[in-house]
Amino acid sequence: DAGITQSPRHKVTETGTPVTLRCHQTENHRYMYWYRQDPGHGLRLIHYSYGVKDTDKGEVSDGYSVSRSKTEDFLLTLESATSSQTSVYFCAISDSPGQGSSTSGNTIYFGEGSWLTVV
Amino acid sequence: AQSVTQPDIHITVSEGASLELRCNYSYGATPYLFWYVQSPGQGLQLLLKYFSGDTLVQGIKGFEAEFKRSQSSFNLRKPSVHWSDAAEYFCAVDDSGGSNYKLTFGKGTLLTVNP
Repeated sequence: DAGITQSPRHKVTETGTPVTLRCHQTENHRYMYWYRQDPGHGLRLIHYSYGVKDTDKGEVSDGYSVSRSKTEDFLLTLESATSSQTSVYFCAISDSPGQGSSTSGNTIYFGEGSWLTVV
Repeated sequence: AQSVTQPDIHITVSEGASLELRCNYSYGATPYLFWYVQSPGQGLQLLLKYFSGDTLVQGIKGFEAEFKRSQSSFNLRKPSVHWSDAAEYFCAVDDSGGSNYKLTFGKGTLLTVNP
């Protein structure tokens, strides 16, 4: 258990509405990520954060924004949800070298996922 | 851009049989390599990882993987499969050299285990 909590775990929303997913961690990891998982595509990186207020885009960032105002929370926002954003969203954290695993490199741990349906 | 290929979308094996799941990557240097397993409705669990050193890596649940630089492969193996191993398996690559730890995933291999 890497101390990751995602909320909400399940949500149904209407096209055009804003949606925010929250990822909360309890272990002070520097790196946090948002991935989406779709059948036939595996997981694809949306955005990631390498520190408070430090974020960058991933492979599929269009239509998404993120914020990280404190170490433990990483928020993913769909400003105007579309049906193509129906997916399972996973938050992940990384224990970068220097945080207790310096001899074995980084490991990335995943949350339990948030199922989002846009109708 | 780097890519990860898992050639087998779906594999079926009998319980007790051996298993090998294939993973190939495209990247110039030696990447960080991972195998994750996902049970239905669950998150991803790390099975094993390779960063450097011994090319045969042992993981949890009796799994191992071998990094072969000449073949750009990181295949996952298990000598005797259990029914509880039925799940989807993902190979992933971090080619950042440790600078940002972003992962590129393969599309996954679904494993079915017959009794």
